Amino acid sequence: KNEVEQSPQNLTAQEGEFITINCSYSVGISALHWLQQHPGGGIVSLFMLSSGKKKHGRLIATINIQEKHSSLHITASHPRDSAVYICAVRGSSGGGADGLTFGKGTHLIIQP
Amino acid sequence: EPEVTQTPSHQVTQMGQEVILRCVPISNHLYFYWYRQILGQKVEFLVSFYNNEISEKSEIFDDQFSVERPDGSNFTLKIRSTKLEDSAMYFCASTLQGAFIEAFFGQGTRLTVV
Repeated sequence: KNEVEQSPQNLTAQEGEFITINCSYSVGISALHWLQQHPGGGIVSLFMLSSGKKKHGRLIATINIQEKHSSLHITASHPRDSAVYICAVRGSSGGGADGLTFGKGTHLIIQP
Repeated sequence: EPEVTQTPSHQVTQMGQEVILRCVPISNHLYFYWYRQILGQKVEFLVSFYNNEISEKSEIFDDQFSVERPDGSNFTLKIRSTKLEDSAMYFCASTLQGAFIEAFFGQGTRLTVV
């Protein structure tokens, strides 16, 4: 069973700061997802990674397969980025139907 | 932009009653999932569904739970006899090719069992 650990659990920063959220997992995976959960509960998929790096606007996600580690970066953070950011991994046992294993999430607050 | 739709957004039910949570996945997607999140806890996998059958289920998904894709568009989660501990946010998700395409999530149904 994969153990997914995120750090930090809580992060408060000032608008404009560069944000890094980390995710480590214990067992090899086929894909890693970064998700954003808004205060109302809805979940939005930000990235799906199996290697390397992806960028979308001010968001950058990286993954190091050998080290079983991924980071989510937010550049020029803004109060609207305030949300819970969740790392979730999909096992490497094959097939496309495996469910995701989730981290506990990082609660980010960006203050104006 | 395509989206996964869940109804209702909030449901309150008496303990012991049956509830059906409904989801309309993205039309060309092939893999469907239910997850739940108990208040204050992390999201947990319940079940995955592909080719009209369950592909994988977690230990949470016991005999009280069932899923169905009755008409080719809806994907439902039924809880036969609800318990207080079933109170949670339930999320439906769908993907086109499983592991290799990002998942689209619905907005969730908040189930409150009283």
